[in-house]
Amino acid sequence: SQQGEEDPQALSIQEGENATMNCSYKTSINNLQWYRQNSGRGLVHLILIRSNEREKHSGRLRVTLDTSKKSSSLLITASRAADTASYFCAIDRGSTLGRLYFGRGTQLTVWP
Amino acid sequence: GAGVSQSPRYKVAKRGQDVALRCDPISGHVSLFWYQQALGQGPEFLTYFQNEAQLDKSGLPSDRFFAERPEGSVSTLKIQRTQQEDSAVYLCASSLAGTDYEQYFGPGTRLTVT
Repeated sequence: SQQGEEDPQALSIQEGENATMNCSYKTSINNLQWYRQNSGRGLVHLILIRSNEREKHSGRLRVTLDTSKKSSSLLITASRAADTASYFCAIDRGSTLGRLYFGRGTQLTVWP
Repeated sequence: GAGVSQSPRYKVAKRGQDVALRCDPISGHVSLFWYQQALGQGPEFLTYFQNEAQLDKSGLPSDRFFAERPEGSVSTLKIQRTQQEDSAVYLCASSLAGTDYEQYFGPGTRLTVT
């Protein structure tokens, strides 16, 4: 498969807890991107991490990339009910003009 | 507007009808992408434009699907003789360039074929 595969498919936690989602892929990549999608809405870009980077932070988000294992993780710290959404990783292979290959996503539910 | 807009937001079509979905990208964005998202799935690539040139249409599922971006800004995705399997959310995204840039997505058009 050329797309990312997220794990777990669903995650349910309490407010204040950390949420970790994983993404695995099988091809070479130029970069890997994480997106959030609230129910019935479009996708919102969270973080882009390039193949030569290992970790990036943005606010409460931390993304790691291990190209040797072909995997990435998204950590949301101190989660809030508003973080409830589907989270997708997307692969940019670099050779395909920016076309993104998405996985099926992780559905995160944060209970107040 | 500051973001990508799409219209209509919802479309119900009877099987066999033609539909046209519109996308207004962010001004100045060279790249425009169309994706199809089935219920419970991630978006699947349909086609890509760089300005007015359609550089990749390998994701279009059949010759009933056609996309254009004649002046390098607004794009239209047309589906002829709609089938029930065409029911999905159609997402448009734009970016400054192709690879290595984040994509900005519109809210999508939910197409239901009855």
